[in-house]
Amino acid sequence: ESVLTQSPGTLSLSPGERATLSCRASQSVRGNYLAWYQQRPGQSPRLLISDASSRATGIPDRFNGSGSGTDFTLTISRLEPEDFAVYHCQQYGSSPATWTFGQGTKVEI
Amino acid sequence: QLVESGGALVQPGGSLRLSCAASGFTFRNYEMNWVRQVPGKGLEWVSFMTGSGSLIYYGDSVRGRFTISRDNVKNSLYLQMNSLRVEDTAVYYCARAEAGSLCDLWGRGTLVTVSS
Repeated sequence: ESVLTQSPGTLSLSPGERATLSCRASQSVRGNYLAWYQQRPGQSPRLLISDASSRATGIPDRFNGSGSGTDFTLTISRLEPEDFAVYHCQQYGSSPATWTFGQGTKVEI
Repeated sequence: QLVESGGALVQPGGSLRLSCAASGFTFRNYEMNWVRQVPGKGLEWVSFMTGSGSLIYYGDSVRGRFTISRDNVKNSLYLQMNSLRVEDTAVYYCARAEAGSLCDLWGRGTLVTVSS
């Protein structure tokens, strides 16, 4: 089973700052089938990025995904108040054995 | 929209059936997933089913105990959970699949608590 490790566990920043979140896979993610979700307090997850770098419908362009192989990054260029949340990465390749999530990164003020 | 129901407090070894009512899209055309989350922790994929029901997958931690099903006439997804364990305690989300376990629409979740 491929494990996803997110870092840091918590990121303390201010509105307007840049956030850089990391997701590292224990095995190469085939096809770069790597997604990022945002989960605000008390809400369900929301898809932000798929295929490592493709923004989902309606997602602002301040959210950018990058990376390949085993190292992936979510960058939020200028934090808005509503961006303070937990971010989860996920791999979703063709084999269900690879369908795993990272443990999450909390972005807090 | 996806709306889960059926969460409850149940004793270890007990059973529970979760339901998910879908609306606003052509349910039968979509693969669906169940994903769970221990409060304050990360997400865990639980189960997947194709639109026709012809292909089903389960996570290792629930295989043999949980059964996913759907009714495309009632636009509903189900999760039958048997032999429940304390470690099954979580919020269970129903989620529409964009591809495999990539989920583009999530319900609000229903809480399952397994405790004596």
